[in-house]
Order: sequence, then structure tokens, then C-alpha cells
Amino acid sequence: SAVISQKPSRDICQRGTSLTIQCQVDSQVTMMFWYRQQPGQSLTLIATANQGSEATYESGFVIDKFPISRPNLTFSTLTVSNMSPEDSSIYLCSVEYSSTDTQYFGPGTRLTVL
Amino acid sequence: GENVEQHPSTLSVQEGDSAVIKCTYSDSASNYFPWYKQELGKRPQLIIDIRSNVGEKKDQRIAVTLNKTAKHFSLHITETQPEDSAVYFCAAYRGGYQKVTFGIGTKLQVIP
Repeated sequence: SAVISQKPSRDICQRGTSLTIQCQVDSQVTMMFWYRQQPGQSLTLIATANQGSEATYESGFVIDKFPISRPNLTFSTLTVSNMSPEDSSIYLCSVEYSSTDTQYFGPGTRLTVL
Repeated sequence: GENVEQHPSTLSVQEGDSAVIKCTYSDSASNYFPWYKQELGKRPQLIIDIRSNVGEKKDQRIAVTLNKTAKHFSLHITETQPEDSAVYFCAAYRGGYQKVTFGIGTKLQVIP
């Protein structure tokens, strides 16, 4: 399985500001994914990030609100822009290896917006 | 797109008893069905998975069964222990970097 780290692990932010979350993997992966998990809820896919191309966003999520970068095969960032209290959630990145189809998750970033 | 239904949403069992969580899926093209365990404040961790060419898979106290015709799959935990207490998510997808669809989760409580 992959060793995945995320920074920051948690943050408390003021409404109207932006936060960039980093995801680092210990090996090269083709696809990285960003999820949101609200308290007591399941995992909701925000977007899929392929190195060298624009991220693909799920219905209900837009690039202006959640810009994503994927500069290389081991790193990605998700920015939560112009935050409101409704953005308070846990944000998780995941990676998938083509050999297994399995997705492995990072530890998550717990975001609180005041 | 794929739709995954999971039940029950909560489940309480006595230590030593068995627990069963059931999921149904809608997309007949789905061929990979992982189960994740998420302890409080932790990341989801893969505990077992099954592919569509297999009907059952076991790993010690955990087993998963798949009925492709009925489009449902189940997680079975035998001889439950307090450390099995967590939220369990089923998922279904086609593989090949396609979207993974998760169930709503089942909160399992094992009572000592």
C-alpha cells in the first residue's frame, strides 16, 4: 500500500479566506483523487487529478471553488477558496494503483470555517 | 451512474457474535467491490475486497460474498471484538481510474 501524507492535518479558518491542502505520495501514481467527508457522512468525490491535465470535477464542484494542481506524479494540492462555514469538513486525498484498482487514502485534513 | 445502497446504518452486536453488512449496486459493469473500515478520526482503511469473477473471499474473521445476478455483496465479521467497532463503507466501481461510489456507511458497535 501507499504512504500518503497530507498537510495541514487540521486548520481553523475565517470565512472568505482560502486554504491549500497538500497531498504527497511515496511513489509515482497516475491518478490522485480528492474527497470531502462531512461529519458522520460518507465520502464524496470532488475531483480526479491526472498529472499534466486539467482536473475532472464531479457534479456540484467547480474549479473556481476547488482549484487543483498536479505538478508531478507524487504530489497534488486542493485549494478551498472563499470559504464559508458550509465548507467545514474533512478533505481526503487518495491514490489508485492500476495493478490493483484499489484506492488508498491520506490521513485527511480537518477544516473548520468560522 | 452507479448507485450503492448500504444497510443497516447502525449495528450493535455482543462481543463474540457475528455482524453482517449488506450492499446493493446498480451498475452491472461494476467489477470491483472493496470494503473500508474507518475508525473515529482516522482515514478509511481497506480491509477486504472482491472482484466480480469471485463469489466469496475470506481473510481470518472477515469474509465478503458477491452475488452478481442480484447485484449485492455483503461483509461478514465473525467472533466480533471491541476493536471491530468502527464505520464500515462498501464501494463499487469499474476499475481503471473510474469513479468509486461509496455506500453511506454502517456504524458497528461491539459491546464487551
